[in-house]
Formats: sequence, C-alpha cells, structure tokens
Amino acid sequence: GAVVSQHPSWVICKSGTSVKIECRSLDFQATTMFWYRQFPKQSLMLMATSNEGSKATHEQGVEKDKFLINHASLTLSTLTVTSAHPEDSSFYICSARGGWRQGPGEQYFGPGTRLTVT
Amino acid sequence: DQQVKQNSPSLSVQEGRISILNCDYTNSMFDYFLWYKKYPAEGPTFLISISSIKDKNEDGRFTVFLNKSAKHLSLHIVPSQPGDSAVYFCAASALLGGSARQLTFGSGTQLTVLP
Repeated sequence: GAVVSQHPSWVICKSGTSVKIECRSLDFQATTMFWYRQFPKQSLMLMATSNEGSKATHEQGVEKDKFLINHASLTLSTLTVTSAHPEDSSFYICSARGGWRQGPGEQYFGPGTRLTVT
Repeated sequence: DQQVKQNSPSLSVQEGRISILNCDYTNSMFDYFLWYKKYPAEGPTFLISISSIKDKNEDGRFTVFLNKSAKHLSLHIVPSQPGDSAVYFCAASALLGGSARQLTFGSGTQLTVLP
C-alpha cells in the first residue's frame, strides 16, 4: 500500500513553454502533498506544501506564479512549471501524507520527474 | 543555514560489515527523525524513524540511534549487503502550526557496499 505515482517520469521541453507534472496517491487519500526539487548530488529542497482544496504554501524563494500547484482532489496534485527556462531543469519529486499508518512527518514519495529545458 | 547535516558525502563498506551513517541537526524543535533510502532517478523510500522520546529504534538489520544532547543521530546497518548501496538521507520533522509537519533533509550519504 501507500503508492505514489508521478507522470511523466521524464520530459524535455523548449524554453518558454509550460510543463505540467502530475502526482497521484494510488491507494490512499492524500490530505497533504509536497513538491520537492533535487539538483544532482544535493538534498531534496521543499518547494511547496499543498492541502486538498486550498492554496499551496510556497517556500521562501520559490515563485508561486512560476511554479503553480493545484491540489484539486484527495488523490491528485499537479505542478506546472510556467515559462520554463534551462535553469529549471531538475528532478522534481512529490510526496504525500494521509495514510493512517504513517508516523509523524512520514511521507510517501513518488518516483520523480526529470525535467530538461532546452 | 543547514538545519540537518550529513557531513560524509560517501561511505564504502565491505559486505557483511557494519555501515554507520551519521547525521547532525541544529533545530531543537525537531522531534521526529527519519531515514530514507534513494536509488538514482527514483523517489526516496522510507527506511526507519525514531521519536525524540527514544534513543534507539531497531528494525531488522537497521538500527537508528538518537543522542539528543549532542543533536546527533546515526543509522547502523548490519550486516551490510550489496543491495544496500544507495544514497541515504537523514530527515527531521517538527510540528508546525496545528498539525502541519514538513521534512528537512540532509544532503545525503552515498553508501557503497563492496562484495
């Protein structure tokens, strides 16, 4: 149980275009979803936290109008990178909380999406 | 300011021996600590956790030790197996307003278990 999927797993887009990444909890209702970004050989940096049905909370330094987050249902959150630029190229990972077996702070992670902006 | 630090970017251990991964933290509000394992191009998977009211938690080959006074925790893997080779992230959690919790991750330690 507690499976989180992401789609697509890998995407290449041209500079200036927008890309949408989906995160789904497959077998539990995710009351909270998180979006992270990871640069090579670095830690996971939290970008934003979203609760179902309310606006996402973006971390300091993360532009909310550039990284749009929608958590429309208890099983789906989307991250849209608008007007993407090469510096947005990164590995984006989502995670979810909501399973009743989870300990404090425990999150289930998706497999990640590799975004390359050319 | 890094609140969770993993000072060793890499560690190599012989198969069958003990692997010890270390993690230090600075925020005294952290009350729950977790270890995640990550393979390349995959999301992290939860390994083991410990509450700040405990000093040890064991699950099979994995044991996490917490020294609150030193703000230090460690993950012991014994015996180490080649399949344990991965990046290990230490993470810490504090209760924010209401019931909200976020994870703060260390920079990770690449463990290589040599056959």
